Amino acid sequence: AQSVAQPEDQVNVAEGNPLTVKCTYSVSGNPYLFWYVQYPNRGLQFLLKYITGDNLVKGSYGFEAEFNKSQTSFHLKKPSALVSDSALYFCAVRDPNDYKLSFGAGTTVTVRA
Amino acid sequence: NAGVTQTPKFQVLKTGQSMTLQCAQDMNHNSMYWYRQDPGMGLRLIYYSASEGTTDKGEVPNGYNVSRLNKREFSLRLESAAPSQTSVYFCASSEGPLSYEQYFGPGTRLTVT
Repeated sequence: AQSVAQPEDQVNVAEGNPLTVKCTYSVSGNPYLFWYVQYPNRGLQFLLKYITGDNLVKGSYGFEAEFNKSQTSFHLKKPSALVSDSALYFCAVRDPNDYKLSFGAGTTVTVRA
Repeated sequence: NAGVTQTPKFQVLKTGQSMTLQCAQDMNHNSMYWYRQDPGMGLRLIYYSASEGTTDKGEVPNGYNVSRLNKREFSLRLESAAPSQTSVYFCASSEGPLSYEQYFGPGTRLTVT
């Protein structure tokens, strides 16, 4: 069975400071990993994915994530947060041979001006 | 190009009433999905359709039925609504069942009283 844990319900940072949203996963094989963002009253938007290759992946809006196989983690990062980054962030994992995408519970990010 | 559209945006039902949530995509995707989102639980898969003419149960199918009407449309039906089905429902689509990204609609907020 595959699963995702997002250990922090909320992350609060000041604008201009680095932002990190944590994610750890469990899957039987090599994982496909994803980050999605949800703005209020909107659907989920795809941010980035790790499939294979370089452990550091870059995505939309200046976000990046680092895949760490030994720690089974896929933390989302942004060097300098913006107020407009305030949203709900979801990490998700999928076994390459399965259709099922498993989501974490989500982390609410608040960036204060 | 509207992407994934859902109707209605909001709905209030009384216990025991029935309704159908509609979803359509204009990206010529083969696979479509229905999720429900509950606070602190992330998104959970209700049903999915790998291709036109096929449907399969996801993680939480009880109390729901689906119809893949054609390649574009995938509907979710609640035959006898219960308060436990109060949730936000998202439809998603992808090029295929093993494709990387899923694209999400804006959601339907359903309240069952």
